[in-house]
Amino acid sequence: EPEVTQTPSHQVTQMGQEVILRCVPISNHLYFYWYRQILGQKVEFLVSFYNNEISEKSEIFDDQFSVERPDGSNFTLKIRSTKLEDSAMYFCASTGDYEQYFGPGTRLTVT
Amino acid sequence: GESVGLHLPTLSVQEGDNSIINCAYSNSASDYFIWYKQESGKGPQFIIDIRSNMDKRQGQRVTVLLNKTVKHLSLQIAATQPGDSAVYFCAEIPPWTPRTGNQFYFGTGTSLTVIP
Repeated sequence: EPEVTQTPSHQVTQMGQEVILRCVPISNHLYFYWYRQILGQKVEFLVSFYNNEISEKSEIFDDQFSVERPDGSNFTLKIRSTKLEDSAMYFCASTGDYEQYFGPGTRLTVT
Repeated sequence: GESVGLHLPTLSVQEGDNSIINCAYSNSASDYFIWYKQESGKGPQFIIDIRSNMDKRQGQRVTVLLNKTVKHLSLQIAATQPGDSAVYFCAEIPPWTPRTGNQFYFGTGTSLTVIP
């Protein structure tokens, strides 16, 4: 069964540092997403990406965030200067037709 | 943004009993709904979906009911097992657009605990 993969599984960083979270979506999918889940809270939409550009983003996705698809397989989320409140699970997802497949997540801890 | 909420944040059931988890959604234009299961430390896992032209859909031990009149969704799990213990999210998906694909809006989640 195809799956979305994410690396690393856990990232610890100091406040103010840049982090890059990596995702490999399912190969024939065209739409890619990042979501965030703060511990104990609901999954929140961050950004969707299609045709090599951002198609929609939420108010959470401010200038500190950026996404990139540097090659045909990877999809990355960069946080330029991390804040304590960025600590969360970050899920990548991709969609072919309707079903959206989620990766296992990266737990980001900002200290 | 969209708003999807759950009526019960926690639910405890005896093993073998049926479970019902409820969800209210906000956008009457949403035409696709999914229930996800999330176990601790893992990503959401697809359980069952339903489109707005249906009011009921059955899977293996699970049934989803959709009431568009009151914008309500429920997930029924038959003969609940300890392995069903997890957080369950509903998601509403407004109509697909070529620019965004499918946007998913999640509820807060209900934590289901199955007592052996």
